[in-house]
Amino acid sequence: AQSVSQHNHHVILSEAASLELGCNYSYGGTVNLFWYVQYPGQHLQLLLKYFSGDPLVKGIKGFEAEFIKSKFSFNLRKPSVQWSDTAEYFCAVNTANTGKLIFGQGTTLQVKP
Amino acid sequence: DVKVTQSSRYLVKRTGEKVFLECVQDMDHENMFWYRQDPGLGLRLIYFSYDVKMKEKGDIPEGYSVSREKKERFSLILESASTNQTSMYLCASRLTGGHQPQHFGDGTRLSIL
Repeated sequence: AQSVSQHNHHVILSEAASLELGCNYSYGGTVNLFWYVQYPGQHLQLLLKYFSGDPLVKGIKGFEAEFIKSKFSFNLRKPSVQWSDTAEYFCAVNTANTGKLIFGQGTTLQVKP
Repeated sequence: DVKVTQSSRYLVKRTGEKVFLECVQDMDHENMFWYRQDPGLGLRLIYFSYDVKMKEKGDIPEGYSVSREKKERFSLILESASTNQTSMYLCASRLTGGHQPQHFGDGTRLSIL
């Protein structure tokens, strides 16, 4: 069965630290990849997505992610986090042969001021 | 901007009751989805619908049913609520296509007593 794994469940950083959240998926075919963010009390919103082209994609609020096909990975990065980045982050994968989006377990990021 | 509206933010029901959760989107999206979100488990797909009157089972459909009589509305029904259905329920919609992002509602936090 297809699955998505986020390695870090809870991350605590100080402001200005760099961030990398891991995401791996298990599917050998064509994929569409997404990172969503859920700020406290708010709905999930799209950070960035990849479906073709340049494997390094840039999203909102200074986030970026790199698709490495050989590693089945789509890690999320930000060079310098802010307190306002405190949120839960979800990686999600949609395979070409299904309409379903499969989510990882989520990573809670806490940024200390 | 896409708006996905869920009828209730918080809902408390009793075991054995029939529960209806409503979701409406205003962007003429063909596809609509119902998820439940539980800590440490991420989002799990309950049911989805590619278009009006169509429905497909997701990963955890047991104990649930859905209705899509109009394009903009997708209802989730708990036939006989049980305490293990206490959860956060999220509705989403998107245009057809795996590369299209899903747009989420604010969620309904449902408690079954």
